[in-house]
Order: sequence, then C-alpha cells, then structure tokens
Amino acid sequence: RKEVEQDPGPFNVPEGATVAFNCTYSNSASQSFFWYRQDCRKEPKLLMSVYSSGNEDGRFTAQLNRASQYISLLIRDSKLSDSATYLCVVDSWGKLQFGAGTQVVVTP
Amino acid sequence: EAGVAQSPRYKIIEKRQSVAFWCNPISGHATLYWYQQILGQGPKLLIQFQNNGVVDDSQLPKDRFSAERLKGVDSTLKIQPAKLEDSAVYLCASSSTVSGANVLTFGAGSRLTVL
Repeated sequence: RKEVEQDPGPFNVPEGATVAFNCTYSNSASQSFFWYRQDCRKEPKLLMSVYSSGNEDGRFTAQLNRASQYISLLIRDSKLSDSATYLCVVDSWGKLQFGAGTQVVVTP
Repeated sequence: EAGVAQSPRYKIIEKRQSVAFWCNPISGHATLYWYQQILGQGPKLLIQFQNNGVVDDSQLPKDRFSAERLKGVDSTLKIQPAKLEDSAVYLCASSSTVSGANVLTFGAGSRLTVL
C-alpha cells in the first residue's frame, strides 16, 4: 500500500461548480499536511496547509480527518485557472511524502 | 525574495553518459531536497540535506546517483551512468519552517531525457 494515495482523476468540472477530492495516508503518526498545486510542466507550489480544525482560503477549503486518515480539498466556484494537478503532501517527522496528484480540469 | 535556482533547465543525453544538475536554494534555508518526478507521478525524494549533512538518502540509487552540498548552500546532483528510466524532471526544493511545519519552495526543475 502506498503511504499517500490520491484519485488521479481527471475531475472534469464545469466553470462555477464545486469539486472535492480526498487523499488518504497510511502513517497514523503523520503530523502536518499540505496541498500543493502543480500546473502542467511547472513546479509544485504550496496551495495551503491543512489544520486539524479545517481551514479556508478564499474558494478553497481543506479538512483533516485523523480518525479515518484522510485530508480533503474542496474548490468552490471553480475558475478555468483552477485547472491543475493537486498534490497531497504528508509530513511524518520531517519526512515529506507526496501523493501522485489529482488532476482537475475546469471546462467553460 | 529570490526563488530556488536550478540549471540546466533541459538536458538530453544518451544512456551510459553522465549528467550533473545544480541548485541554489533560497538564502537562509537550511534544508535542501532533490526530488525525481516521472511523468504522471508525484515527486519522489532522492536526498535531503540539513545544512551540508545528509538527513535522508534512503531512496537514492547510490550505484549511479550522487549528491553533495558543499558549504551548506549550493548543491549538485550527478547521475553516472544514466539509464533510460532516469528520464524525469529533477526538482530541487528548499524549506522554511512555518508554525513548526516544513514548507517547500521548488525550483523550476531540470528536465532530463535519456535516449
């Protein structure tokens, strides 16, 4: 079993709609969690950290469920510019593990 | 703040040849990472440095890959001899600690094609 697993997608989303997807992790001792965004042929960039209480950054909401060992990302009012691959990152005692990413395609 | 610098951006070599990549992290970032990203996959950690010491190189294929970080600043990653399966983007990242968590800043990457 992979340490960090994501649905590869693609999630095809009409502009203005909401999309949500999860990332599961296997190490229950993991401490910190992040979502990174990667555009085609570009480097990953930090989108947001994920806090235990859940957090929001504009149209993006991240949640952590420690009991079931997954994190989620929800994008509201999708824009064409949200089309990208979203990488889940799990930090276990300083060791950062990346998921393979979930591709989101926002269509007009 | 200047970002993470990497060079070259692109490299094409034949199998069994050697190649070297260079990375200059963000000033003041003590931790430096080299990741390999194969098309369609997430980044895979090759080696992590804390200043000029190695923290984790468990996934570095040491028979062909080597990396160093002299003086705790710049780093080079070398592959010798290259294999076809080494075709990938090699990403360098450095990190700062935000609220106790490691936040990575990546360079633009070095895209390697092995023929």
